[in-house]
Amino acid sequence: DAEITQSPRHKITETGRQVTLACHQTWNHNNMFWYRQDLGHGLRLIHYSYGVQDTNKGEVSDGYSVSRSNTEDLPLTLESAASSQTSVYFCASSGQGAGANNEQFFGPGTRLTVL
Amino acid sequence: KQEVTQIPAALSVPEGENLVLNCSFTDSAIYNLQWFRQDPGKGLTSLLLIQSSQREQTSGRLNASLDKSSGRSTLYIAASQPGDSATYLCAVTGGIQGAQKLVFGQGTRLTINP
Repeated sequence: DAEITQSPRHKITETGRQVTLACHQTWNHNNMFWYRQDLGHGLRLIHYSYGVQDTNKGEVSDGYSVSRSNTEDLPLTLESAASSQTSVYFCASSGQGAGANNEQFFGPGTRLTVL
Repeated sequence: KQEVTQIPAALSVPEGENLVLNCSFTDSAIYNLQWFRQDPGKGLTSLLLIQSSQREQTSGRLNASLDKSSGRSTLYIAASQPGDSATYLCAVTGGIQGAQKLVFGQGTRLTINP
């Protein structure tokens, strides 16, 4: 069955370190998204991509970057981790084009702690 | 800027009751609306998606309605069960320029008491 996976599931890092969170989907979806979920703020969009080589900033993109070199993967990089980036990170994907209804499917999440 | 509100923030009902969760959004120019379920410490599970041209969608004991002109959606759960206990999230995608990107409400935490 098609799925979307994230790794690692849990990560503890130190302030200032670079961290990369992986997202891999086997739906063959063109669209991929990264969200963060925080108490009091709900889910907020960080970055998104509509296809290979396409990336766009979301609502809370400062301090984060993404790259899309193939259809299946959209890694999220924290350039220099800060305590304010302690959160749960979710990756999602959706199809587009004729026959697609743009329903988004989510991965299991990565819990990141920045000390 | 699109804003999504879910009321109530928490709801506790006895098993077997029918219940309604509410979602409202400020910009009626949406592409679609999606309801999710989230169990503690878990990811989001898509329950129902309603396209902007549709009025409702049904899946089993769940029925979601959409009134785009008034900026409202409801999720109806029939014959509630303890296994329905979870947080329910409503999310909309914006107009043409905002298509695909979800804007979430804060969720309704539902507890079904045996």
